[in-house]
Amino acid sequence: DAGVTQSPTHLIKTRGQQVTLRCSPKSGHDTVSWYQQALGQGPQFIFQYYEEEERQRGNFPDRFSGHQFPNYSSELNVNALLLGDSALYLCASSLEGGNDEKLFFGSGTQLSVL
Amino acid sequence: AQRVTQPEKLLSVFKGAPVELKCNYSYSGSPELFWYVQYSRQRLQLLLRHISRESIKGFTADLNKGETSFHLKKPFAQEEDSAMYYCALISTGNQFYFGTGTSLTVIP
Repeated sequence: DAGVTQSPTHLIKTRGQQVTLRCSPKSGHDTVSWYQQALGQGPQFIFQYYEEEERQRGNFPDRFSGHQFPNYSSELNVNALLLGDSALYLCASSLEGGNDEKLFFGSGTQLSVL
Repeated sequence: AQRVTQPEKLLSVFKGAPVELKCNYSYSGSPELFWYVQYSRQRLQLLLRHISRESIKGFTADLNKGETSFHLKKPFAQEEDSAMYYCALISTGNQFYFGTGTSLTVIP
């Protein structure tokens, strides 16, 4: 089991561009959450997907959107990129109704906006 | 509002010394709290959760509802404990709130 995989590992964009980040959850997991981790900060919750729908959302603008596919993989889209969007984006998967609340994290995508 | 506070960004201790990483929280309901750890060049991973009341790698954490704290403790620090530690709580909506993290360095 490869665990949670994210692609790409690094990305450089310019202001105003759009970006798509991808995540494959751990085998057997059906819930995907996305987090933004700015330098020197803890992960901040963006949103969570379950059954192909956004179930929870943190305090992020509509420029941040996502999608979950039938195979439980997920995408995070960010439109009209700002310099402040530069961060490590983490995907975490879990199993709805599982016996524990473990989040399994991917290694993240490092996004730099120039 | 939910909030997790880790007052120390950096903490250094000598090998063999006790270590305590502080975590305070605010949450209106009955909290579930966790400690996550990130070793150098590795992904964030669960260290322990208060519900399981277990000791992982010699670390323990007790939930103190009166003081709204969930401090992480180890009686004898080891060099391999050097890492970034994040305290987190989970809300009823399965949303995790993380603190800003404490970087622990164990000096040989």
